[in-house]
Parts: sequence; C-alpha cells; structure tokens
Amino acid sequence: DADVTQTPRNRITKTGKRIMLECSQTKGHDRMYWYRQDPGLGLRLIYYSFDVKDINKGEISDGYSVSRQAQAKFSLSLESAIPNQTALYFCATSALGGSSIGEQFFGPGTRLTVL
Amino acid sequence: DAKTTQPNSMESNEEEPVHLPCNHSTISGTDYIHWYRQLPSQGPEYVIHGLTSNVNNRMASLAIAEDRKSSTLILHRATLRDAAVYYCILRDSNNAGNMLTFGGGTRLMVKP
Repeated sequence: DADVTQTPRNRITKTGKRIMLECSQTKGHDRMYWYRQDPGLGLRLIYYSFDVKDINKGEISDGYSVSRQAQAKFSLSLESAIPNQTALYFCATSALGGSSIGEQFFGPGTRLTVL
Repeated sequence: DAKTTQPNSMESNEEEPVHLPCNHSTISGTDYIHWYRQLPSQGPEYVIHGLTSNVNNRMASLAIAEDRKSSTLILHRATLRDAAVYYCILRDSNNAGNMLTFGGGTRLMVKP
C-alpha cells in the first residue's frame, strides 16, 4: 500500500465551487506539505504543517486554505475555485527536521481542472 | 535558498552513462545539494544528496566540484525507466522545515 495517498486523483469542477483535496500518510511523519505544479514547471509550495497545531503559508497560499485534522491527514481547500487554479497538486511528508536528508515523500498527485 | 541552473533537456541512449549537470554558483557553506526526479504521471522521488564529498547509492552517484559551485548527477547505465525530470535543489541545513524549492529541472529522454 502507498505511504502517501491523495484523493481524489482527478477532479473537474466549475468556477466558484468549493473543493477539498485530501492527503493521508502512514509514514508517521510530523511534517506535511502541499505543492502545486503547472505544466512544464517545477513544484511550488502552497502550505506546510510541522505538526497538528502548526500551519504555515508557503510561496503561493492566496486562494487556498488547509486543515491538519490529525498527524496523518492534511487537507487542502479551494474556497472558490478559479480557472488559474487548474494544476497538478501534490502532497508530501517528511520526518521531523534536523536531518541532513530531510527527504520528502510525495503522493501520486491530484489533477484538478477548473472550468 | 540559493538558486540552481540546469539544462532544460538532455538525451541519452539506453545502457549508456548519463551525466546531468547543475550549477549553483551562489551556494552557501550550509547548503546541501539534493536531487529528486519525477517520473511521468508521478510525484517527485528522492534520488541522492551530498554536502562536499562525492556520494554513491543504489540509484546514482553525485559528483560535487571542489568549490561546490557545480555538481553532476551520474546515472551509470540509463534505462528507459530513468526517463524523467531531474531536479537539483539546494537545501540549507538551517532549514529545519525541510523545505524544497523546485526549479524547472532537466527532462531526460532515454532512447532505446
């Protein structure tokens, strides 16, 4: 079974709709992240969480919100979706900081299309 | 975090070695060099990382220039499965959040 899962894998919605993307992990990691990827570009950080009570904005947080329901769950919401939020969204996890590795483990991604 | 520069794309023949370059002329003494790759329709995956010395693991080797202003990811024998976008990322060891800043990466194409 995958260590980091994302639901849904694909979603098509209309402008103005509220959308929630969910991420679950079984790695026991404290840190979780949400990224978006636009065609031909690298990933950009939206939000990250160091533990259940800690939420931080990333590079491109406008138009998004997050909820860390438990250590294993981190949800990304688009309160009112707009077409330029059409992208591939990735969730990732990593172990507690201080490691020189700081390896992040990524989910399979959610392809979101906003019409 | 300091920036990295990579070629947009590279091509290789199957079963031949591949050298993927990365320039990071503004690297600081506390920056680790990380490599991730993203296979088609998948999330990125960790490949290797290093600080000053060359590193080897089961996936690849990392050669770091003596002045640390550049590095090279080496795939010793490319397979079709190695076709992916390879990202060279600098991560400050003081970055306890393990943040990763992705650039455009190098798209590696492997010809049979």
